[in-house]
Amino acid sequence: DTGVSQDPRHKITKRGQNVTFRCDPISEHNRLYWYRQTLGQGPEFLTYFQNEAQLEKSRLLSDRFSAERPKGSFSTLEIQRTEQGDSAMYLCASSFAGTRGEQFFGPGTRLTVL
Amino acid sequence: GENVEQHPSTLSVQEGDSAVIKCTYSDSASNYFPWYKQELGKGPQLIIDIRSNVGEKKDQRIAVTLNKTAKHFSLHITETQPEDSAVYFCAASMSTGGFKTIFGAGTRLFVKA
Repeated sequence: DTGVSQDPRHKITKRGQNVTFRCDPISEHNRLYWYRQTLGQGPEFLTYFQNEAQLEKSRLLSDRFSAERPKGSFSTLEIQRTEQGDSAMYLCASSFAGTRGEQFFGPGTRLTVL
Repeated sequence: GENVEQHPSTLSVQEGDSAVIKCTYSDSASNYFPWYKQELGKGPQLIIDIRSNVGEKKDQRIAVTLNKTAKHFSLHITETQPEDSAVYFCAASMSTGGFKTIFGAGTRLFVKA
């Protein structure tokens, strides 16, 4: 499968714990995006990378959230001291940089904070 | 910042009928408008897109129209089939913003056989 993959697909954690999600983009894509989707809503932009550089972060990304893309390939999203409000689907997408714009999404990681 | 509104939130049609979903956006700098289909338990799948230099685009049973002046864009699905049942999202982004994408709230489409 040459699409975007995410791991794990589901994560259940207790409030206050830290969690980390991984995204592997389509191999030739140099842009990688993270979005959050709550039930019944559209995805909300969190942050994006071009190669290793994190170019923009949403105000939704509080200081408990951190994202990295150390070698310009896979990315991780960490949430520290999880809260019940963090429960959502976390989606990753990748694309080519430039003028094309098409983003391809992974299946998402569903986080449940108890 | 950009805001995208989408209507209707739910749409039920008979198999073979057409379905239309409408969206508006607020930032005139937006120049790329993708549409995504999301099935239960899956990530959004890009089905068609349109750029601001084009007024209409068609791909088989799916067409999109864009009115830049009014900041409106629409998705038209003809000859609907039960497998078209899903949630559809419109979105807007701009090339100068790294194509950070702002999504509408979604339309749940039911196609009755």
